[in-house]
Amino acid sequence: DGGITQSPKYLFRKEGQNVTLSCEQNLNHDAMYWYRQDPGQGLRLIYYSQIVNDFQKGDIAEGYSVSREKKESFPLTVTSAQKNPTAFYLCASSIFRGQDGNQPQHFGDGTRLSIL
Amino acid sequence: AQSVTQLGSHVSVSEGALVLLRCNYSSSVPPYLFWYVQYPNQGLQLLLKYTSAATLVKGINGFEAEFKKSETSFHLTKPSAHMSDAAEYFCAVSRFNDMRFGAGTRLTVKP
Repeated sequence: DGGITQSPKYLFRKEGQNVTLSCEQNLNHDAMYWYRQDPGQGLRLIYYSQIVNDFQKGDIAEGYSVSREKKESFPLTVTSAQKNPTAFYLCASSIFRGQDGNQPQHFGDGTRLSIL
Repeated sequence: AQSVTQLGSHVSVSEGALVLLRCNYSSSVPPYLFWYVQYPNQGLQLLLKYTSAATLVKGINGFEAEFKKSETSFHLTKPSAHMSDAAEYFCAVSRFNDMRFGAGTRLTVKP
């Protein structure tokens, strides 16, 4: 079955440490997204990518970095500059058809990051 | 800029009762609207979407939503709640590939 795989499901970070969250999709989608979810705040966009080797900052990109070297993969690095990284991180993908924004996003099951 | 507001962060209904989750949108152009459901420690699953065809949209699990332009609303309903409907529900608006989510409504179903 096609889908999005996020790993690990739970991740712990020490102070001053960078950690990388994995996101892989086999849906052949062009666009991929990273969201941060905090209780009562819905989903906030961190980064998105519409094509390989290109990505754009979302609303809360500070302290995060991404790469898009392959269509299937969009890893997110939470750097030590992100002072409040404890959250649930969701990766999503969608078909990208130019400026037509009616394509739903498909989500992975998330990674929960905590500070030790 | 577009946005959605979900009225009520928590809704509680009895099993078998009507479910009504409210969503109002703000958009300067005709929007595309979505409802998603999230179960604990999982990602979001698409319930239904409105893309300017029929204003009454039927989704999975017996849910439906009606697009009302005059009220800028896209409320989600289900005639009879089931225990398995307990989850968090998110309304989202999208245009030009910019999807914005509401803060979510947690639905509790009492036996």
